[in-house]
Amino acid sequence: DVKVTQSSRYLVKRTGEKVFLECVQDMDHENMFWYRQDPGLGLRLIYFSYDVKMKEKGDIPEGYSVSREKKERFSLILESASTNQTSMYLCASSWTSHWGNEQFFGPGTRLTVL
Amino acid sequence: GQNIDQPTEMTATEGAIVQINCTYQTSGFNGLFWYQQHAGEAPTFLSYNVLDGLEEKGRFSSFLSRSKGYSYLLLKELQMKDSASYLCAVRDSNYQLIWGAGTKLIIKP
Repeated sequence: DVKVTQSSRYLVKRTGEKVFLECVQDMDHENMFWYRQDPGLGLRLIYFSYDVKMKEKGDIPEGYSVSREKKERFSLILESASTNQTSMYLCASSWTSHWGNEQFFGPGTRLTVL
Repeated sequence: GQNIDQPTEMTATEGAIVQINCTYQTSGFNGLFWYQQHAGEAPTFLSYNVLDGLEEKGRFSSFLSRSKGYSYLLLKELQMKDSASYLCAVRDSNYQLIWGAGTKLIIKP
């Protein structure tokens, strides 16, 4: 089974703190994604990566950065957390050459910024 | 702009059939996905349509009409465990997924 894991299920941080969210996949997927999910809105793409050390901005990259030093690991960084970054963060991964290229999701990290 | 529309919430009875609709307006089309998401859990892949027509997979079927920008997910013989949110997503011309807000399906005994 494909497994995508995230470092924390729940996280509480204070405004201004630097926050690291880690994601690891074990299926040798080329592509990795970070989304945030808020009530009443669809999943919104923050950043994605098609290869090691490669990153592309998604729809809402402001206030976030990412790092992909190894193929299996994709980190999301909140440089200075703010209350409007309170959300559910979902990591996903997928193959490039695969019918459908469906994305496999991690369990999510519910981040609260006080 | 790009837009995916699906109903916010639907209610159905155990054992019955329910159809969840999804309409889309996107810049290009490279496939439509349906995902299931139980409360507090990750979305899981249900189906993928890239050609017009019906794809059947057990109790779940998904239909696509590209000319109408329309899809539906059909769930038969509903079970209590089918209570979840159902997310529709379209892959656009840049191969990025555009997501609907999801349809919360409530199953009553």
